[in-house]
Amino acid sequence: QQQVKQSPQSLIVQKGGISIINCAYENTAFDYFPWYQQFPGKGPALLIAIRPDVSEKKEGRFTISFNKSAKQFSLHIMDSQPGDSATYFCAASSMTSGSRLTFGEGTQLTVNP
Amino acid sequence: NAGVTQTPKFQVLKTGQSMTLQCAQDMNHEYMSWYRQDPGMGLRLIHYSVGAGITDQGEVPNGYNVSRSTTEDFPLRLLSAAPSQTSVYFCASRRGLSSYNSPLHFGNGTRLTVT
Repeated sequence: QQQVKQSPQSLIVQKGGISIINCAYENTAFDYFPWYQQFPGKGPALLIAIRPDVSEKKEGRFTISFNKSAKQFSLHIMDSQPGDSATYFCAASSMTSGSRLTFGEGTQLTVNP
Repeated sequence: NAGVTQTPKFQVLKTGQSMTLQCAQDMNHEYMSWYRQDPGMGLRLIHYSVGAGITDQGEVPNGYNVSRSTTEDFPLRLLSAAPSQTSVYFCASRRGLSSYNSPLHFGNGTRLTVT
């Protein structure tokens, strides 16, 4: 039972374009929503995170949009670059989930030059 | 500062064999965990620990054992390997239980193949 659903599974974008990855969650107790970035042969690393008391968080070219009523959040990568090619995971957790971080299925992003 | 170190990087086992995947962190993190990564299934939590002497099950604990005798080390044991355990295994750590919203630091993984 996947508590965090992520789409699309794979995404191909041209350099300079906008990459958008979507996630939906079921557990209304979730109150921390991070995105992790993983390059081939490496472990995931935290990219950006949001709490549900804000609707958007921006760090450089990366933006999280959060819709609490729809229980959805998304990652937008502006001006996508070939170096952004990686696998992206959304995740969610809460204090009541016993500190467990639940991940989505992952999206493999390819940015063509 | 090594962070989270996993060994070995690659391993091939025959069905029924046992082995231990090693994980060590040098950040004095209380929380440590093991995930497996399979295509299209994301990262699934196997076991986790919130401190030395304390472990608990995640989503997919069957066939795996863990122990936490020190803050630094969190080994994962496969008792009798099965082909379904072919996967990439990641160890991750972060600060303690009350810091559930702090970053997870991952190792670089162990790629395990069971034939």
